[in-house]
Amino acid sequence: DQQVKQNSPSLSVQEGRISILNCDYTNSMFDYFLWYKKYPAEGPTFLISISSIKDKNEDGRFTVFLNKSAKHLSLHIVPSQPGDSAVYFCAASDYYGGSQGNLIFGKGTKLSVKP
Amino acid sequence: DADVTQTPRNRITKTGKRIMLECSQTKGHDRMYWYRQDPGLGLRLIYYSFDVKDINKGEISDGYSVSRQAQAKFSLSLESAIPNQTALYFCATSEGGVRNIQYFGAGTRLSVL
Repeated sequence: DQQVKQNSPSLSVQEGRISILNCDYTNSMFDYFLWYKKYPAEGPTFLISISSIKDKNEDGRFTVFLNKSAKHLSLHIVPSQPGDSAVYFCAASDYYGGSQGNLIFGKGTKLSVKP
Repeated sequence: DADVTQTPRNRITKTGKRIMLECSQTKGHDRMYWYRQDPGLGLRLIYYSFDVKDINKGEISDGYSVSRQAQAKFSLSLESAIPNQTALYFCATSEGGVRNIQYFGAGTRLSVL
């Protein structure tokens, strides 16, 4: 059973507009959430994260929102740029719940930002 | 130079052959991981190691083995490769802890014919 779900395999957005990537999870013990970005022929790179005790974290154009009651998090990119075109993975861990911090990844969402 | 280096970057092999994928890191991290990526399936954990003497199976360890030769080196072996092991393989490292941000290599694309 998938514990981290990214239900949209792909998303297309116009340059300059907002991109919103969504992620749902089922394990209420998750205490840390991360977003990774992956370009073709490269490994995933860490983008932004959020602790379960917060509901928002910003880093430049990237903001992650966490809604614990809904078990939902989202990544907002504003404004979107063509260089943001990549696959985005949501990941979660339950350090205090026994996974020792190992990450569980969603299947990814491919973002295309059109000029 | 990359902090996490995987070799080879690409490999084509035949069914039944033994294959070793290598990973080395210069980040000084204790934790190392091997993942597999298949189209539409995301990243799945094969094996992980919290230090040289601590190796653990991940979600999909069947058909794979690993060796942690040193803090900086972690290799993945396919003892007898089969076609459904055709995938993109990633090595990662981390310091551990609650945040446990993992840093990935560029990947090895393996094709088993």
